[in-house]
Amino acid sequence: EAQVTQNPRYLITVTGKKLTVTCSQNMNHEYMSWYRQDPGLGLRQIYYSMNVEVTDKGDVPEGYKVSRKEKRNFPLILESPSPNQTSLYFCASSPRRVGEKLFFGSGTQLSVL
Amino acid sequence: GENVEQHPSTLSVQEGDSAVIKCTYSDSASNYFPWYKQELGKRPQLIIDIRSNVGEKKDQRIAVTLNKTAKHFSLHITETQPEDSAVYFCAALFSGGSNYKLTFGKGTLLTVNP
Repeated sequence: EAQVTQNPRYLITVTGKKLTVTCSQNMNHEYMSWYRQDPGLGLRQIYYSMNVEVTDKGDVPEGYKVSRKEKRNFPLILESPSPNQTSLYFCASSPRRVGEKLFFGSGTQLSVL
Repeated sequence: GENVEQHPSTLSVQEGDSAVIKCTYSDSASNYFPWYKQELGKRPQLIIDIRSNVGEKKDQRIAVTLNKTAKHFSLHITETQPEDSAVYFCAALFSGGSNYKLTFGKGTLLTVNP
């Protein structure tokens, strides 16, 4: 089954404790991206990648890191999480290099205490 | 950067009525405009999209119109059904050089009352 898989589904952590949210897709898509969803603010792009070893900042990249060492995986790294990073995070991939027709993962609900 | 305004933020209609959601964008270099539907507790899913060289696109009960001059685009849902109840997001893809950024509107909560 074609899918974008995110883990974990829920995560509670404390301020400053490094964490990684994994994202994997099995559709051989070149484009992958991360979004955060907050009430009243919609979806905001954090980072995107148009190919292996190519990543670019979205609208809200501060406090986040990503890597694209292989085509199928695009982990989101929070080196020192803070409470304002409490949010619902979505990973997405696209068969088009520029991010059209996105397929979203199931989401990761992160709470930073 | 690109800015996408979406209205209304909430919309309530009776089953069978039509629903219209409107978005405006700021950057004339944007050339791709998708609409995503997100049911409660679920992931966003693409329902329809349009490119800047097309004025209108239809898919059964759903249609999108684009006015490039005015920089706005709209989602039209006809003969609404309770299962259309969800949050709808518009988006605009800005492309400039090697830079591609997808900006979403803040969403519209559509409620279809039986």
